[in-house]
Amino acid sequence: SQTIHQWPATLVQPVGSPLSLECTVEGTSNPNLYWYRQAAGRGLQLLFYSVGIGQISSEVPQNLSASRPQDRQFILSSKKLLLSDSGFYLCAWSVRGGGRAPGELFFGEGSRLTVL
Amino acid sequence: AQSVAQPEDQVNVAEGNPLTVKCTYSVSGNPYLFWYVQYPNRGLQFLLKYITGDNLVKGSYGFEAEFNKSQTSFHLKKPSALVSDSALYFCAVRDNPTGGFKTIFGAGTRLFVKA
Repeated sequence: SQTIHQWPATLVQPVGSPLSLECTVEGTSNPNLYWYRQAAGRGLQLLFYSVGIGQISSEVPQNLSASRPQDRQFILSSKKLLLSDSGFYLCAWSVRGGGRAPGELFFGEGSRLTVL
Repeated sequence: AQSVAQPEDQVNVAEGNPLTVKCTYSVSGNPYLFWYVQYPNRGLQFLLKYITGDNLVKGSYGFEAEFNKSQTSFHLKKPSALVSDSALYFCAVRDNPTGGFKTIFGAGTRLFVKA
């Protein structure tokens, strides 16, 4: 069965420090990968999505970046964190093109980032 | 561009009563619609989806949703609410179900089920 791992679960960082959140998927190949941010426990904002290794699409201009060095690995980074980067970050994957469950997203457990 | 609206920030219902969480959408073509549930400090869990076919879709935990094309709605329903249904519910629309592109979420509706 497929699983998604996301870490760290919680992170407290000072303003201006770097960030690296990691996400890996097991049990599937060629997944579509996504990073979402959820602020104040409500709506989700799509940050990045990837349909393949090295292919990253950015939805919102910001000081965050994403990379996909391997097929099932997705990394969210920042060189210098801002206070406004605080939030709950969610990694997700979906099947690419039909298959067992076309369209739906499978989410990790999230990473709560607090920037002080 | 596609969009999703959840007009209610919060829905309160007594245990045992039916519940409805509303969702309307806007897409340029045929919609692919989803409902997800989120418990505190957890990731989202998939509940159900409408791709094609029967307008009434049944999902996990006794939930169902009705696709209404004329009203561009996809309301989530359950005949008898449980206290354990209390959570944050998200409606979502996907713009390309086979190409694997982005899913857009509504703002979420918090459901409180009172014993």
